[in-house]
Amino acid sequence: GAVVSQHPSWVICKSGTSVKIECRSLDFQATTMFWYRQFPKQSLMLMATSNEGSKATYEQGVEKDKFLINHASLTLSTLTVTSAHPEDSSFYICSARGLAGGLDYEQYFGPGTRLTVT
Amino acid sequence: LAKTTQPISMDSYEGQEVNITCSHNNIATNDYITWYQQFPSQGPRFIIQGYKTKVTNEVASLFIPADRKSSTLSLPRVSLSDTAVYYCLVLGGSQGNLIFGKGTKLSVKP
Repeated sequence: GAVVSQHPSWVICKSGTSVKIECRSLDFQATTMFWYRQFPKQSLMLMATSNEGSKATYEQGVEKDKFLINHASLTLSTLTVTSAHPEDSSFYICSARGLAGGLDYEQYFGPGTRLTVT
Repeated sequence: LAKTTQPISMDSYEGQEVNITCSHNNIATNDYITWYQQFPSQGPRFIIQGYKTKVTNEVASLFIPADRKSSTLSLPRVSLSDTAVYYCLVLGGSQGNLIFGKGTKLSVKP
């Protein structure tokens, strides 16, 4: 199957700093990328959807100025958590959808990034 | 987006067949049914996808009745490593977004 990578796999940062998480589709072109957040023992919550070259669409309740998403190419999307606070500590997961495996609506997930804000 | 309902948790023993049923009463004509598996601190992993009747791959089988208002994921002869959360989702073609419900936490015991 198609492979999606995330970097870093985990990060610890101080409160008030910004953190960038990268999501890459390694062997296919991702027309759409998604960012999810998952708190302990909870399900994945969709944060935003981005299409290459256009602005991201944020889900209700997600601050677009705090969670900056850039989808500059068909293989890379970045999520920047600005002015991070301890409540932003979570598991961030990206997924990518594109022409892979013969189905243009299959969605492949990255391994996730564990963010801890101290 | 069709809302899905699945049991919160299930217990099983090694070697048994496990069937997890998902209800999606409001499924639309162009919706596909997809199941994902997630281990702790990992991203979800695609298991199987189907539209109607039965789909089988090397990992699982998916049974979908004619009215498509429910589906059943069947895991044959589970092992301890199948302990995970299983999510049932419906997706409307290339325009849909995957919205996750609570999933079913499967615990396989020795």
